[in-house]
Amino acid sequence: GAGVSQTPSNKVTEKGKYVELRCDPISGHTALYWYRQSLGQGPEFLIYFQGTGAADDSGLPNDRFFAVRPEGSVSTLKIQRTERGDSAVYLCASSLGAGPSSTDTQYFGPGTRLTVL
Amino acid sequence: QKEVEQNSGPLSVPEGAIASLNCTYSDRGSQSFFWYRQYSGKSPELIMFIYSNGDKEDGRFTAQLNKASQYVSLLIRDSQPSDSATYLCAVGYNFNKFYFGSGTKLNVKP
Repeated sequence: GAGVSQTPSNKVTEKGKYVELRCDPISGHTALYWYRQSLGQGPEFLIYFQGTGAADDSGLPNDRFFAVRPEGSVSTLKIQRTERGDSAVYLCASSLGAGPSSTDTQYFGPGTRLTVL
Repeated sequence: QKEVEQNSGPLSVPEGAIASLNCTYSDRGSQSFFWYRQYSGKSPELIMFIYSNGDKEDGRFTAQLNKASQYVSLLIRDSQPSDSATYLCAVGYNFNKFYFGSGTKLNVKP
């Protein structure tokens, strides 16, 4: 596609429920990132994929959060037993790769606004 | 945790003036530097990236990097009301880990 797409754009759920957020990166981009952004803050790194593997998941806040990218393209962020503190905008970004000469330049999707009641 | 600091603002400038946005970072190993613009309710959009010390110009925008001082700035010439947004500084480490500042809100007054 022309840009990074994310679905759904909005998700309202109840505390304790399970949610899945989907990201479709720019075609040909091997690197994919998930971020979480709270109001008034910059994006906070969650996880980075290079191809199918999670190269760095050090930003995931706890074991309720998990992400996959089984075929090296679309990625799904999964949150179990949601809590009110999980409410935020979840941003996905992709880049050509991870290296200099602008290949690490990230392009963001429109985000998914998650609200946990 | 690697720190990226920005003045939250708001920074107010009159239309046509130069807006100067600043960012400092804590990790001397940082290798890539980005400026993003974010309108309210929207996702960040890339303005510029810079890797080497010095200035890099693109239209009305100039990014300045000083690795010795761990400082990166963005100058916006001939500011327009449409430039009013939050500007995010991002710093890359190993080209695959990125830390964002909290952003500076810019208001350009007509």
